[in-house]
Amino acid sequence: AQRVTQPEKLLSVFKGAPVELKCNYSYSGSPELFWYVQYSRQRLQLLLRHISRESIKGFTADLNKGETSFHLKKPFAQEEDSAMYYCALISGGYNKLIFGAGTRLAVHP
Amino acid sequence: NAGVTQTPKFRILKIGQSMTLQCTQDMNHNYMYWYRQDPGMGLKLIYYSVGAGITDKGEVPNGYNVSRSTTEDFPLRLELAAPSQTSVYFCASSTGGATNEKLFFGSGTQLSVL
Repeated sequence: AQRVTQPEKLLSVFKGAPVELKCNYSYSGSPELFWYVQYSRQRLQLLLRHISRESIKGFTADLNKGETSFHLKKPFAQEEDSAMYYCALISGGYNKLIFGAGTRLAVHP
Repeated sequence: NAGVTQTPKFRILKIGQSMTLQCTQDMNHNYMYWYRQDPGMGLKLIYYSVGAGITDKGEVPNGYNVSRSTTEDFPLRLELAAPSQTSVYFCASSTGGATNEKLFFGSGTQLSVL
């Protein structure tokens, strides 16, 4: 079965510390993975997608097919990074997404 | 552009009542989606549409109906509301021109069925 797992409900770090939000997936075939973010009082929005190999707001994510992971990383966390982060996988075409349960990142001053 | 607009933002229903959650987008997107999010869980797809007049079931369609008479609108109908339908509902859209497109989300509707 296709599935996205985010094992941490909450990740709490201090400003300037490195951040790694974990995402593991189960998918037969070549996965297409995304990270979405929801800041307080804002809508869910795309942060980055693996196909673009981009860095957004200092975040990067590398697809590791051997470990079936797509962890989100940032070397130095900022307070404005505090948000809910969702890992998602395209399933069945038409850009339909399967979401993980989300990880709340709290960055403390 | 307003993007994806959902109404209402909050609603309380009694068991057995019905209601329609409205969703409209002004980006001329072909694809539209309805997701629900239960506490501590990821978003789950209820229904989706790839164009006017075309809809299909997602992962959790039971208890819901949709229609897509125009490109802009994709209402979600709850018939005979049940406590299990207490959730936050998100409407989303994408252009439908390619794969790996991002989804644009509405601000959500928080629904409680008591």
